[in-house]
Amino acid sequence: DSGVTQTPKHLITATGQRVTLRCSPRSGDLSVYWYQQSLDQGLQFLIQYYNGEERAKGNILERFSAQQFPDLHSELNLSSLELGDSALYFCASSPLLGRGGQETQYFGPGTRLLVL
Amino acid sequence: KNQVEQSPQSLIILEGKNCTLQCNYTVSPFSNLRWYKQDTGRGPVSLTIMTFSENTKSNGRYTATLDADTKQSSLHITASQLSDSASYICVVSAGSNYQLIWGAGTKLIIKP
Repeated sequence: DSGVTQTPKHLITATGQRVTLRCSPRSGDLSVYWYQQSLDQGLQFLIQYYNGEERAKGNILERFSAQQFPDLHSELNLSSLELGDSALYFCASSPLLGRGGQETQYFGPGTRLLVL
Repeated sequence: KNQVEQSPQSLIILEGKNCTLQCNYTVSPFSNLRWYKQDTGRGPVSLTIMTFSENTKSNGRYTATLDADTKQSSLHITASQLSDSASYICVVSAGSNYQLIWGAGTKLIIKP
């Protein structure tokens, strides 16, 4: 158990809908990262937040947005969903900014999203 | 362009055998290299992190090597167990922003 929690575990919705995925980082971790993993594909970095502020952006679509709240939990909002958005969405956390040589990311169990 | 390539794409070996997974990267400037293990449907778990000055690091039956000159890394698994069946992902940290470049992973299957 990494200490990172994600809800819900599974989500089934229809095209065009909007969903919100939630992540609680490990106690004390200030950075939260979001990743997308499509079936049999590698992880795609979406976005990073540090202590409430956006720090880095990856391949995140304009239909997707995220935020980190004062209690450090984070939410990933996916709107106008398409079939291709079906994937595993992982949240990870790290103590600081993820910089330097020794800081690792701790991953949550993921949310499996199925768009029908 | 910063890239991380892993080989083989997939590998099947018998329980108890050893294996070596490869990672080649074209990342500059290099900061560190990590190996993660990802069980199917679960989040990745860190195995090792190596900086420029480290060329070998072990974690139990897992030993990672790094050759910064040739920009290659390998992950050697000794005396494989059924629980080693997973994807192994090489991740390189690059640049002043320590951007993480993720490889596509090697899918390892251990057969009894």
